[in-house]
Parts: sequence; C-alpha cells; structure tokens
Amino acid sequence: KNEVEQSPQNLTAQEGEFITINCSYSVGISALHWLQQHPGGGIVSLFMLSSGKKKHGRLIATINIQEKHSSLHITASHPRDSAVYICAVHSNYQLIWGAGTKLIIKP
Amino acid sequence: DAGITQSPRHKVTETGTPVTLRCHQTENHRYMYWYRQDPGHGLRLIHYSYGVKDTDKGEVSDGYSVSRSKTEDFLLTLESATSSQTSVYFCAIRGTGGISNTGELFFGEGSRLTVL
Repeated sequence: KNEVEQSPQNLTAQEGEFITINCSYSVGISALHWLQQHPGGGIVSLFMLSSGKKKHGRLIATINIQEKHSSLHITASHPRDSAVYICAVHSNYQLIWGAGTKLIIKP
Repeated sequence: DAGITQSPRHKVTETGTPVTLRCHQTENHRYMYWYRQDPGHGLRLIHYSYGVKDTDKGEVSDGYSVSRSKTEDFLLTLESATSSQTSVYFCAIRGTGGISNTGELFFGEGSRLTVL
C-alpha cells in the first residue's frame, strides 16, 4: 500500500463545477504540498500546509492532521484548470509523492 | 518566482555517451533534488543534496551520479547513457524554515532527454 494515496486518479467535469481532489497518507508528516502540472509543462507549487486551510483565488486546500487527509478544492472550474494535481508529504525529512490526479475540465 | 533554471532543456544523445544536466538556483536554498518523470510512474527521486558536497541516493539512482560543489549548482551525470534513461528530468529546490525544517518546493522547467 502506498504511503500517499490520491483519489480519484482521473476526473472529468464540466466547466463551472466544484472540484474536490483527495489525498490520504499513512505516515506522520510535518507538511503537505499540493502541486500542479499542465500537459507537457512544468510543476508549480500551489500550497504548502501543515494545518487548517489555505485559499488562493479559486483554489482551496484543507488538511486534517488527525484524520491524515487533505483535500484540494477548485471552485468555478475552468478548462485552464485541466492539469495533473499532485500531493506530496514531508515525513522524516523525506518527500513522499502521490501518483497524481488527472483533471479535465470540459467547456 | 523562485530562481531555478535547468540546462539543457532538450537533449538527444546516443547510447553510451556521457550526459550532464545542470540545475542552477539563485535562492540559496539548502535542499536540491533531481527527479525523473515517466508515463505511469509519476515523479521518482534520483538523488538529492542537503548541502555543498552532501548528497544521497534516491529510489532510482543506478546509472546516475551527482555533484554539488557550490550551493547554487547541482549537476546530474549519466556516465554512459542508456535508452532506459530517456525521460524528463526535473530539478527541485526546497527552502527551510521553522522547527520541522520544511519549506516550499520550487521546480525547474524540466530537461527532456532522449537516448537513441
């Protein structure tokens, strides 16, 4: 079993829908990252969080340390949000990566 | 934006030739990483560095070596490239901060290597 699990693996939605991507982990962590990668593109850090909630524009990230779970939400989704979203955790000074969630937003 | 650049961005080479990829940062961050990304595998750690001349192996280090003689540069070398090393290579840097010694991650734009 992977130490960091993302769900769903693939998600297709219509423009305007509210999107939720989940990340569960089984190890103790000091921080969790959400990153975004567009097709053929580079990797961009969206959030780093160790507790609570962060918001940036239409993106919201939450983390529940007790439940070892984090969610990334996208409000009013747009085709330009189509990308792979990756969760990664810091654990014992190591970075452990989720497999990513491929999101497609259709116009 | 964090100052991190990779070079070359694209390279085509032949099996058996040496290849060096360079990662350069202007952030003075302590931690630097080399990953490869292949379809179906996500990001896999090759080597990482936690300071000048301090490096360690990742999960897919066979066939690769690294060097870090200066804070700003982290070099990845394929001594004798093989077709299985055809991939996209990403460099990342991580700052430090707080008790947990964690910080935000920044990635280079990637280097696409093709070994014929």
